[in-house]
Amino acid sequence: DAEITQSPRHKITETGRQVTLACHQTWNHNNMFWYRQDLGHGLRLIHYSYGVQDTNKGEVSDGYSVSRSNTEDLPLTLESAASSQTSVYFCASSDGQGPQETQYFGPGTRLLVL
Amino acid sequence: AQSVTQPDIHITVSEGASLELRCNYSYGATPYLFWYVQSPGQGLQLLLKYFSGDTLVQGIKGFEAEFKRSQSSFNLRKPSVHWSDAAEYFCAVAQLNSGNTPLVFGKGTRLSVIA
Repeated sequence: DAEITQSPRHKITETGRQVTLACHQTWNHNNMFWYRQDLGHGLRLIHYSYGVQDTNKGEVSDGYSVSRSNTEDLPLTLESAASSQTSVYFCASSDGQGPQETQYFGPGTRLLVL
Repeated sequence: AQSVTQPDIHITVSEGASLELRCNYSYGATPYLFWYVQSPGQGLQLLLKYFSGDTLVQGIKGFEAEFKRSQSSFNLRKPSVHWSDAAEYFCAVAQLNSGNTPLVFGKGTRLSVIA
């Protein structure tokens, strides 16, 4: 069955380190998204991509970067991890054109920055 | 700016009772509206969505939602709640030509179900 996976599921790192969170989907969806979920804030969009070589900044993109070299993967990199980036990170994908399409979410990565 | 408000942070209902979760949005044009559910420790799953047409939308797991343009609302309902419905529920609005926020989520409502 097609799916969307995230790795690692849990990560502990130290401030200042570079961290990369992986997201892989087998639906061949054009659109991929990264969100962070924090208590009291719901889900906030970090970056998104509408196709290979396309990336766009979301609401809370500072300190994060993404690259889209193929359809299946959208890795999220924290250039220099900060304690404020402790959060649960969700990757999602969707098909079709634009934000009205249903998004399918991965299981999440829980990141702790010490 | 476009926004989604879920006024209730936490709701507790008895098993078998009816449920209504509130959602209000702020958006100039006709919105695309969604309800997602998140079970503990898991990602989000779509319950239902509204684009146009019939304002009463049926979803999975016995949920429905009604779009009321005059009230800028898209409330989620279920006639009889089951213990397995305990989860966090998110309302979201899609914005076309939106700049950097293609899908905006509310902050969520946590549903607890008691016997």
